[in-house]
Amino acid sequence: GENVEQHPSTLSVQEGDSAVIKCTYSDSASNYFPWYKQELGKRPQLIIDIRSNVGEKKDQRIAVTLNKTAKHFSLHITETQPEDSAVYFCAANNAGNMLTFGGGTRLMVKP
Amino acid sequence: ETGVTQTPRHLVMGMTNKKSLKCEQHLGHNAMYWYKQSAKKPLELMFVYSLEERVENNSVPSRFSPECPNSSHLFLHLHTLQPEDSALYLCASSQDWGLSASSTDTQYFGPGTRLTVL
Repeated sequence: GENVEQHPSTLSVQEGDSAVIKCTYSDSASNYFPWYKQELGKRPQLIIDIRSNVGEKKDQRIAVTLNKTAKHFSLHITETQPEDSAVYFCAANNAGNMLTFGGGTRLMVKP
Repeated sequence: ETGVTQTPRHLVMGMTNKKSLKCEQHLGHNAMYWYKQSAKKPLELMFVYSLEERVENNSVPSRFSPECPNSSHLFLHLHTLQPEDSALYLCASSQDWGLSASSTDTQYFGPGTRLTVL
């Protein structure tokens, strides 16, 4: 089955700096890679996703890159703000809509 | 947000109690999911229902019993739980499941039920 590793587990940055979170996956058949943001006490919310037919996708301050050969994908947040503080989860699909999630990264943006 | 709702939001129960968690989605989706979120562990998929049929049981103990009476509602019946079952239980839905691996649909999560087993 799919195995998703996520690093780092915690990340502290200064407001305005960039943050990068990396994930690796094991199943070469995976072709859908969503990223979820979970604020304290709230539900996970999709912030961006990428499919295997593209190498990069951007939405304002958030971007995701995918390297299918190396089986890794990364989340990039530029110009971080205190409200970006949350736990971020990556995931990869396998059969159907089955998602395997990474362990999460706690991002802290210091004002 | 009202797309996927869950009740109750918090639940404390003893090991001999029987309780049920409820999930409702108002998005017209055909697939619904139960996940368990424990501290310091990845989100774990428990069950998947597609068009009211269970399509995945991810080796979940029988003390957890799901029920999907229609495509909008999903229940998780709990009995004889253990303290290690204490966790946040999240429901999610997506438009479809398993139609094609090339068209995986976005999963939308509910707010979760924080369960504490004493």
